[in-house]
Amino acid sequence: ETGVTQTPRHLVMGMTNKKSLKCEQHLGHNAMYWYKQSAKKPLELMFVYNFKEQTENNSVPSRFSPECPNSSHLFLHLHTLQPEDSALYLCASSPRRQGVDTQYFGPGTRLTVL
Amino acid sequence: GDSVTQMEGPVTLSEEAFLTINCTYTATGYPSLFWYVQYPGEGLQLLLKATKADDKGSNKGFEATYRKETTSFHLEKGSVQVSDSAVYFCALTVTQGGSEKLVFGKGTKLTVNP
Repeated sequence: ETGVTQTPRHLVMGMTNKKSLKCEQHLGHNAMYWYKQSAKKPLELMFVYNFKEQTENNSVPSRFSPECPNSSHLFLHLHTLQPEDSALYLCASSPRRQGVDTQYFGPGTRLTVL
Repeated sequence: GDSVTQMEGPVTLSEEAFLTINCTYTATGYPSLFWYVQYPGEGLQLLLKATKADDKGSNKGFEATYRKETTSFHLEKGSVQVSDSAVYFCALTVTQGGSEKLVFGKGTKLTVNP
């Protein structure tokens, strides 16, 4: 058991839809992350939250909107996506943001944008 | 900028064969180095890490040595098993804006046949 869960595991949406991805960690960590994993490209860090505060946004388009209501939950709200946004979206958590901490990953949500 | 380059896959081996997956890095300062593994349908898991030059990380029969002189962190295993079939990611930490984040390579897919 990874301790980090993501729902849904698979999502197909049209370009005009609005959907949300959910991540939950049961590890008591204080930092949470969203990554995008596309075929044949390195993992791309999208957002970082530390103690519920967003500390990093790597030039992600505004059609991706993160939300972190508490240290255990992280959402990624999706709106008017493009087909090139199809990818595996991975959530991760770690004990704290600074320092070299092991990140624990969820299984990901496979997103397909039609 | 800081980056990781790992050998292109896919790599296909027979059970009990010797495995090497090459990884080289470019970084300012002294990064920590990691290997993560992603089994089919799952998120990334930390496999091993090394935090300073000449350190050797090891886990589940896998090893990698932090070589500062060649800026390398090659992953090796003496005898692979079918259950080692997965995608392997080399990564390093970089300090940016006062905090650290992981930079990943593109991943190398390993298939082990019985």
